[in-house]
Amino acid sequence: RKEVEQDPGPFNVPEGATVAFNCTYSNSASQSFFWYRQDCRKEPKLLMSVYSSGNEDGRFTAQLNRASQYISLLIRDSKLSDSATYLCVVILDTGRRALTFGSGTRLQVQP
Amino acid sequence: GAGVSQSPSNKVTEKGKDVELRCDPISGHTALYWYRQSLGQGLEFLIYFQGNSAPDKSGLPSDRFSAERTGGSVSTLTIQRTQQEDSAVYLCASSLAGEETQYFGPGTRLLVL
Repeated sequence: RKEVEQDPGPFNVPEGATVAFNCTYSNSASQSFFWYRQDCRKEPKLLMSVYSSGNEDGRFTAQLNRASQYISLLIRDSKLSDSATYLCVVILDTGRRALTFGSGTRLQVQP
Repeated sequence: GAGVSQSPSNKVTEKGKDVELRCDPISGHTALYWYRQSLGQGLEFLIYFQGNSAPDKSGLPSDRFSAERTGGSVSTLTIQRTQQEDSAVYLCASSLAGEETQYFGPGTRLLVL
């Protein structure tokens, strides 16, 4: 079983739609959680950290459920520029802080 | 300011040759990571450097892979006797000590023929 699992998609949504991505992680000792965004043939970039209390950044809302080992990302009012692959990422080891990535969920926002 | 830089951006080599990939982290970042992204695969951790400490090599897939970091700054990832399955994008990231946010370079696309 993969340490971080995501639905690969693609999710094809119209502009203005609300879309939600989910992710599960297998290691209950996971310490920190993030969503990264990766555009085609580009490097990953941090979108937002994820906290148990939930956090919001503009149109983006992230949520962590430690009991269910589940992470979510909600994008409201989708823009064409949101089209990308969204990577669910956890840190298993606070000492090393190496990132463990899910395989990513591809989003295509259509006009 | 300058971000993480990597060179070359693309590398095509023949099976059996050695390759060296270079990473220049953000100035002042003491932590440096190498990751690999193969076609159809997620990103996987390869190696981690923190300051002058011994590197964490637990992610290296075979003994053909090695890396060093000179002067606590520039890092070189070396792949000896390359195989076709080594074809991937090799990404370098750096972060400040104690910080979780990692900044990625643009990667080196390696193709082994």
